[in-house]
Amino acid sequence: QPVVTQSPSASASLGSSVKLTCTLSSRHSRYIIAWHQQQSGEAPRFLMNLESSGSYNKGSGVPDRFSGSSSGADRYLVISNLQFEDEADYYCETWDTNTRVFGGGTKLTVL
Amino acid sequence: EVQLLESGGGLVQPGGSQRLSCAASGFTFSSYGMIWVRQAPGKGPEWVSAITGNGGGTYYADSVKGRFTISRDNSENTLFLQMNSLRAEDTAVYFCAKLASSSNTEYWGQGTLVTVSS
Repeated sequence: QPVVTQSPSASASLGSSVKLTCTLSSRHSRYIIAWHQQQSGEAPRFLMNLESSGSYNKGSGVPDRFSGSSSGADRYLVISNLQFEDEADYYCETWDTNTRVFGGGTKLTVL
Repeated sequence: EVQLLESGGGLVQPGGSQRLSCAASGFTFSSYGMIWVRQAPGKGPEWVSAITGNGGGTYYADSVKGRFTISRDNSENTLFLQMNSLRAEDTAVYFCAKLASSSNTEYWGQGTLVTVSS
């Protein structure tokens, strides 16, 4: 089954940009992934799905500041013009016929 | 507007059973796969189970296979998770979620807490 790996933490300053990474296992490097945001004490929220080509489709109401890109087995979530409300845990997700996996998450701190 | 409302959580003893429900609205329920995802305190999400739109296909994580059963009532727009032989490590917030046509998780409920403890 596929495996997705994320760095546990990231930080960036208010108004700057940050790029979070989700790495797929090598056998599954062309898989589509999804990014989800979870603010403290809340349910996760779907942000976008992201293909190996770098093409992405965002969920309803997701700000333009959020975008995605891809390189090989890496899938990126880029947040520009960081706001304090972007401080959250970010999870990537991928799936196969009979299974679904989530990464361990990246905790983003806005300084 | 898509809405998913879970219920049925609570405190249950080890070895006991619990049935979770998820009432769905705002979309054609029978047309979409649905999943259950759980999140233990301080941990990331863990996929638990999935079911196809017509209920003909069901899938389980190894950690719950043989103990949990997913089902749905398309006439009532409701998703269920029957949990038997519960263990302390099943303690988590359980979310129901709607899958998109592209198979990613698209909408999440607010979750219901299940605590397995004596």
